[in-house]
Amino acid sequence: AQRVTQPEKLLSVFKGAPVELKCNYSYSGSPELFWYVQYSRQRLQLLLRHISRESIKGFTADLNKGETSFHLKKPFAQEEDSAMYYCALTGGTSYGKLTFGQGTILTVHP
Amino acid sequence: GAGVSQSPRYKVAKRGQDVALRCDPISGHVSLFWYQQALGQGPEFLTYFQNEAQLDKSGLPSDRFFAERPEGSVSTLKIQRTQQEDSAVYLCASSLSSSSYNEQFFGPGTRLTVL
Repeated sequence: AQRVTQPEKLLSVFKGAPVELKCNYSYSGSPELFWYVQYSRQRLQLLLRHISRESIKGFTADLNKGETSFHLKKPFAQEEDSAMYYCALTGGTSYGKLTFGQGTILTVHP
Repeated sequence: GAGVSQSPRYKVAKRGQDVALRCDPISGHVSLFWYQQALGQGPEFLTYFQNEAQLDKSGLPSDRFFAERPEGSVSTLKIQRTQQEDSAVYLCASSLSSSSYNEQFFGPGTRLTVL
C-alpha cells in the first residue's frame, strides 16, 4: 500500500526566513511525487512535480529515494506563500491516481 | 471553459436522503477523478473515468456511492441514503490524457453536510 506522511499540520515562519515542509512516503515501486497548494478561497492546484525538476515561485523539492522523502523548500518565505500544502504521489496505475498526505498549513508572518 | 466546475457548491442533506453531485471537466479532457476530502484530511481517491469508462472504483466507500460519465464529459457522483459520515468536500479533477504524467486540474469542490 502507498502512503504519504506530512508530520506537521501547522508551520509558522516569518517573512524572509527559510521554510521546509516535510513529506515522507512509502511505496514499493518508483513513485511520482507532487506538491499541490491551496491558497485561501482558491481551488487545489499543482505547485511542482519531481519529474520536472523545476523551481516554482521559488520553491524546490528533491526526491530522496534513500530517505523516501520529498521535502518542499524555499530559502526566503513571502507572506503570499501562506496556504495549505499537500504532498501527493502516484504509483501502481498508469493513469495517475493520487494519494495525498494530510496537508500542512503554512503561515508566513510579516 | 474556465476550468473544472462543480455544482452545487454546497449541499445540506438529511440523513437518508439521496444526493447527486455534478462535475463539468475541462473540455476535451479524457481523464476524470473524484476525491473525497474529510475535514482536516487530504483528499482521498474515490473513482476514475477514462472517457465514459469507469476503470477504477476501488475507493468508493460503499455500494451507496455510484458514479457515471455516460458521454465522456460531465460526470455525476450519486450518494444514496446519505449518512453523517458522508459529510465531506467532494472534489472532481480532470486531466488531458490518461497518462500519469499529466497535471490534474481540480474543481472548487462540493461541500456536503449530512444532518
